[in-house]
Amino acid sequence: GDSVTQMEGPVTLSEEAFLTINCTYTATGYPSLFWYVQYPGEGLQLLLKATKADDKGSNKGFEATYRKETTSFHLEKGSVQVSDSAVYFCALTNRDDKIIFGKGTRLHILP
Amino acid sequence: DAGVIQSPRHEVTEMGQEVTLRCKPISGHNSLFWYRQTMMRGLELLIYFNNNVPIDDSGMPEDRFSAKMPNASFSTLKIQPSEPRDSAVYFCASSPTQRVKEAFFGQGTRLTVV
Repeated sequence: GDSVTQMEGPVTLSEEAFLTINCTYTATGYPSLFWYVQYPGEGLQLLLKATKADDKGSNKGFEATYRKETTSFHLEKGSVQVSDSAVYFCALTNRDDKIIFGKGTRLHILP
Repeated sequence: DAGVIQSPRHEVTEMGQEVTLRCKPISGHNSLFWYRQTMMRGLELLIYFNNNVPIDDSGMPEDRFSAKMPNASFSTLKIQPSEPRDSAVYFCASSPTQRVKEAFFGQGTRLTVV
């Protein structure tokens, strides 16, 4: 079945560092891909999405590009802030209505 | 819209007791999901409904868990009897009718079974 694999955390970076969180997927057909973010004590919220190959999703300085050839959707940000500390989830939806999440990557940003 | 509303926000109960978690999805959304989140297992999909009909309940851990969606604006997740290993944060999420299904999450119910 469809699945999402993302790098295990925690990831600890200093403020203004470059961030990459890797995500790869296994799916038939052409899934839609998402990154969600979860701040402490809250539910998940959508960060960005891409619906077809080579699409780039972006929001709040974060970017991810849908790479069908490598089945990847890596999350990047050029300069992280302390306020970016959270748990990040990669996810996909496919032909059915199910939303499949990766296990999440905890990010700590040090001032 | 107020978003997805879950109640209660926190629940502490004794082992063996029945627990009922409640969810009000966003009006107009046709899909509803129940997830469980723990440190060990991460985010697990328990069950999801489409147009009030359960589509996939393969994630429900065992017969002690049951979920209902009697109408488009309300769903419950019941655990009977509860056990300490059920302690987790339970999230409800809803999604509109469209090909790209973005999920909108509630703030979760933190369940502690002692």
